[in-house]
Amino acid sequence: GAGVSQTPSNKVTEKGKYVELRCDPISGHTALYWYRQSLGQGPEFLIYFQGTGAADDSGLPNDRFFAVRPEGSVSTLKIQRTERGDSAVYLCASSLSGGRGDTQYFGPGTRLTVL
Amino acid sequence: AQSVTQPDIHITVSEGASLELRCNYSYGATPYLFWYVQSPGQGLQLLLKYFSGDTLVQGIKGFEAEFKRSQSSFNLRKPSVHWSDAAEYFCAVGPNDYKLSFGAGTTVTVRA
Repeated sequence: GAGVSQTPSNKVTEKGKYVELRCDPISGHTALYWYRQSLGQGPEFLIYFQGTGAADDSGLPNDRFFAVRPEGSVSTLKIQRTERGDSAVYLCASSLSGGRGDTQYFGPGTRLTVL
Repeated sequence: AQSVTQPDIHITVSEGASLELRCNYSYGATPYLFWYVQSPGQGLQLLLKYFSGDTLVQGIKGFEAEFKRSQSSFNLRKPSVHWSDAAEYFCAVGPNDYKLSFGAGTTVTVRA
């Protein structure tokens, strides 16, 4: 079946602009996660959704970052007033239930470049 | 706080030779431990995970890892590498399945 998909695959924007990154999880997966991977680093947890609600948003770096999942499926990560330091690959993952032993399936990521 | 150290940034191994990737973690309780692989243009793929039970964990693609609490380690091994194993490997630790802290990764190059 289809895996996790993310759009766009690449996004170039200018400093100060607003961007939205989209994640389509595997059908039927109730848990969804966003991570950020900076160059030469491992992924860094941002936020975890269980259904429509953010169960843990403690990884969001500041209030310029916001994510939604209004219908419990597709999620959008929103970044306001982008800064050059936001340049990274943004990864989305989903899992069946978010329960113990669950496996996260990752998408290919969106590479964000802020000029 | 939880953290992961992967001491080797880059490892080169001959095809058919054995491979061991090191992972040391810092965590206050019994952690959830994971190994992921990332190939160019591909998403992260879970190789194996540990959260309880047998400390020797078998994964996909012929990989295994051993949890050693006394050494705070979770090293990944494969007895005989294939050219397709060339990729970047990430160790991760967390209090649960989702709030993972990843290491910086080890890039594996396989030479013929």
